[in-house]
Amino acid sequence: EAQVTQNPRYLITVTGKKLTVTCSQNMNHEYMSWYRQDPGLGLRQIYYSMNVEVTDKGDVPEGYKVSRKEKRNFPLILESPSPNQTSLYFCASIDSGENTIYFGEGSWLTVV
Amino acid sequence: AQSVSQHNHHVILSEAASLELGCNYSYGGTVNLFWYVQYPGQHLQLLLKYFSGDPLVKGIKGFEAEFIKSKFSFNLRKPSVQWSDTAEYFCAVNAGGTYKYIFGTGTRLKVLA
Repeated sequence: EAQVTQNPRYLITVTGKKLTVTCSQNMNHEYMSWYRQDPGLGLRQIYYSMNVEVTDKGDVPEGYKVSRKEKRNFPLILESPSPNQTSLYFCASIDSGENTIYFGEGSWLTVV
Repeated sequence: AQSVSQHNHHVILSEAASLELGCNYSYGGTVNLFWYVQYPGQHLQLLLKYFSGDPLVKGIKGFEAEFIKSKFSFNLRKPSVQWSDTAEYFCAVNAGGTYKYIFGTGTRLKVLA
């Protein structure tokens, strides 16, 4: 079954404590992306990756890092989380042939 | 720059009512258009997409959308909504040949039983 798996699904953390949200896809897609969803703002792209070792900033990259060492994994790193990063985060993997996005289940992150 | 506008932020309908959600985009070139749905507590799922050809596209669960190029619009319709259609609906656009997607701010639909 085609899947995009994110962990953790729910996390409450404190300001400044580094955290990583993992993302893994089993579809051998080259293109992956991270979005955050905030009320009234829809989904905004944080970072994306066209392939292994190829990443680039999206629309709201400040305060985030990513890495793409393997095709299946695309972790999102918050080096020093702040309360304005409290959000719902979605990892996505794109089938370039079908031009279709597959989303993960989402990760609710609260920074206090 | 590309942008997507969804003018209805909240819509409340009774079961069996007809639905039309507006979506307008701004981009001068070739675009691919999408509607995604997010049921409460779930991730986004593809409802339908338009790349080319017949401007009236049909998706899952009885939804359809019409691409009107002259109006830069891609409105979502359903003739008769059900309580289970309660969800948030997102319009998205990407420029042809790229994998950059721009999402609208979403429309929350509540269907009353």
